[in-house]
Amino acid sequence: GESVGLHLPTLSVQEGDNSIINCAYSNSASDYFIWYKQESGKGPQFIIDIRSNMDKRQGQRVTVLLNKTVKHLSLQIAATQPGDSAVYFCAESGGNEKLTFGTGTRLTIIP
Amino acid sequence: DTGVSQNPRHKITKRGQNVTFRCDPISEHNRLYWYRQTLGQGPEFLTYFQNEAQLEKSRLLSDRFSAERPKGSFSTLEIQRTEQGDSAMYLCASSPNMNTEAFFGQGTRLTVV
Repeated sequence: GESVGLHLPTLSVQEGDNSIINCAYSNSASDYFIWYKQESGKGPQFIIDIRSNMDKRQGQRVTVLLNKTVKHLSLQIAATQPGDSAVYFCAESGGNEKLTFGTGTRLTIIP
Repeated sequence: DTGVSQNPRHKITKRGQNVTFRCDPISEHNRLYWYRQTLGQGPEFLTYFQNEAQLEKSRLLSDRFSAERPKGSFSTLEIQRTEQGDSAMYLCASSPNMNTEAFFGQGTRLTVV
């Protein structure tokens, strides 16, 4: 399959450990944020979202934290599995309705 | 509903030819977005529709690019006189409302030779 990102920040995590992927955004008007997972040759897959009136939201094995003061977003994945290996993108939206994506982080789960 | 569907999945074309891609969004999703993604980058916004109205176009969308959503359902993206720099993954997404989760299709990989 094709490689989505050849020069992305990378993170390697032992299977079963927790991982944290970070994202900084620049638009202080952004009020909606999404994390996407993208596997090689596929489109981005929605993971979890959060609105600016919240600072934390939990899903199944995933937690998103939002710090509006420093314009920082993080995705925590608990008990990582081999299937979690992918490129992860944060995306922001604010008023103009279109999503602006970050550059992505390649997560590799080591068996 | 099987999600957002894009056709074709892959397209190889000679420089100077025209190409057209199709996107079928999730049923009853009012908003439809087109993005372009090159290797090592996140998706870049091209344009979006609310129903049949095209509400915003990126400056990335040169005069050679045109998108339509004639009946507010499926959408087409046409590139005229393709150039090698047009080689990329073209992604379509749909969402039910503003600032709600946008679901992506699998994309159309365009290679201009």
